[in-house]
Amino acid sequence: SQQGEEDPQALSIQEGENATMNCSYKTSINNLQWYRQNSGRGLVHLILIRSNEREKHSGRLRVTLDTSKKSSSLLITASRAADTASYFCATDAGETSGSRLTFGEGTQLTVNP
Amino acid sequence: GAVVSQHPSRVICKSGTSVKIECRSLDFQATTMFWYRQFPKQSLMLMATSNEGSKATYEQGVEKDKFLINHASLTLSTLTVTSAHPEDSSFYICRTGTHYYTFGSGTRLTVV
Repeated sequence: SQQGEEDPQALSIQEGENATMNCSYKTSINNLQWYRQNSGRGLVHLILIRSNEREKHSGRLRVTLDTSKKSSSLLITASRAADTASYFCATDAGETSGSRLTFGEGTQLTVNP
Repeated sequence: GAVVSQHPSRVICKSGTSVKIECRSLDFQATTMFWYRQFPKQSLMLMATSNEGSKATYEQGVEKDKFLINHASLTLSTLTVTSAHPEDSSFYICRTGTHYYTFGSGTRLTVV
């Protein structure tokens, strides 16, 4: 069963605004990852944050992780129309890439030009 | 970087027929492959984990006889949907266990 829950389920913003998506999970994790999926396409890995990290940046992306609350957030700053996609968090309870990922329900982000 | 080639990208088949989906690792060995299914506007659900040379491990509720997984070599894992029905229409995607971020590009299966 999916252990990740994301909110909001859908988010619509204007170009230039920031978008924040949240993810909650239920069990202990080794790391948490965020992925983007354009409609009907494969997944693009965005960022990985380990359980001993609290914040990580990559370009316009900022990810936070609060293991005490079992939650994570993804912030996209200065959004662009090309950021329109579904965003998923995925948790990994294992210690290697060979362990399974459990995906959240996803947030559908629409950035209006 | 590591690439997993997944084919076909789209397939339409008639009810009752079987469809084979391939995931091939390019330039690296994939001892483990994860197979996911995604219904429209939903998340990815893990169906099964295949390991080269051994039987696949299926998630609860996934029919082993319907979704046949073969991982006979270190570079190829296949998922065969047998006796497909319209409710099997979905997006199927694989992920290698060798590299974290390496997903196939997915297969859109439509059963008519």
